[in-house]
This record gives sequence, structure tokens and C-alpha cells, in this order.
Amino acid sequence: DSGVTQTPKHLITATGQRVTLRCSPRSGDLSVYWYQQSLDQGLQFLIQYYNGEERAKGNILERFSAQQFPDLHSELNLSSLELGDSALYFCASSPNPGLVYNEQFFGPGTRLTVL
Amino acid sequence: AQTVTQSQPEMSVQEAETVTLSCTYDTSESDYYLFWYKQPPSRQMILVIRQEAYKQQNATENRFSVNFQKAAKSFSLKISDSQLGDAAMYFCAYRSRRGGSEKLVFGKGTKLTVNP
Repeated sequence: DSGVTQTPKHLITATGQRVTLRCSPRSGDLSVYWYQQSLDQGLQFLIQYYNGEERAKGNILERFSAQQFPDLHSELNLSSLELGDSALYFCASSPNPGLVYNEQFFGPGTRLTVL
Repeated sequence: AQTVTQSQPEMSVQEAETVTLSCTYDTSESDYYLFWYKQPPSRQMILVIRQEAYKQQNATENRFSVNFQKAAKSFSLKISDSQLGDAAMYFCAYRSRRGGSEKLVFGKGTKLTVNP
């Protein structure tokens, strides 16, 4: 158990719908990352938050948005869902950018299926 | 932009034998981190081993070791005395030390099968 929690574990929804994925980082970690794992694209970085502020953005679609709240949990919002959005969405957390490795600990993921 | 390439989509090894997984990367930076992550059927991403680019000594964690060749931009993972529990997808990942983001750039992965 990495200490990172993600809910829900599985999500099945229809095209055009909107969903929210939730992540709670390890106690004390200030950074949260979102990654998407799909068969065709592999593991891709979406976005990073550090202490409530957006720190870096990757290949995140405009239909997707995220935020990190004062208690450091994060939510990833996916809207106007398409079949191609079906994937495993990982959240990871790390302590502090100033640390040497600042190792990322991954949650168990949320499996999103869009029908 | 940095890229990571894992040229072996699948590998297999006999239990108790040694296997080496390949990884190459492309970057113009001189200071960075490299990682190997394991993803078993449970889908959990587990850090196996890590390496700092400016450290010439290859990292070792129990049965796992790396061969880091900075000039060749190569970072292979060696698993000794393979066990059934080693069966998983293995991902090589790159992380820049340049400020601004700690994002990981992953390769496509290598599926390792361990035969009893």
C-alpha cells in the first residue's frame, strides 16, 4: 500500500458524460500528479499540482481539468467523454520538489470505461 | 522533449535465471533521474530502482541492478534469481532535474513472463 488513495476504483459511464476522479495523497506529500494509462498511448503525464497551485501541464485535453484543494486532495474532472478516454487514471504524490529524488508514490488507479 | 524507448515489448525468463530489460532515452540535459517501475497484474505501480545521472555507480536493490551508460543514454535493468512474483510489466522512466516540473516520462513497457 503506497498510502495514496483513489476513488472510485472503477467507473463506467456513457459518451458525453462528465465524471470526477478523486485522489488523496500520502500524508505530508505536497505534490499530486495525474497520469493516464491507455493501450495506445501508454503512460502519459497529464498535470501536476504543488501545494494547491498548478505546477506543470502535460498532454491534458481541454475537456479535462483538475484542482488541488487546501487539504491537498485532488480531483480530475473529465467532461464530454469519448470512447477514447477509456483508460486507467493514476494519481501519484511526492513530498517536495526540493528533495533529491522526490519519489512519486502511485495510487491504485481508477479504471474508466466509456460506453 | 525527452523520450524513453523500451525496445522489447515482451521478455521471458526461467525461474532462478537472470534477465536484462533494455531502456534507452533521449535528452539534451546532463542532470536527471532514471527509474524502473514494476506493474503487476494488480495494476499498482511500484518503484523498483532509481538512479541519479551524475552518479557513475550503478544502483542496486537486492536482486535488481541497473547498467547505466550515460554516454550511450542507456539504462538497463538486470533481475537476478528471477522469481514468479517478478512477472509484471516493467516501465523505464525519465525525470528531469530542471526546475518547474517533476513529471515522469515513461517508456511503453516490457512484459516479463517468468516460467517455472
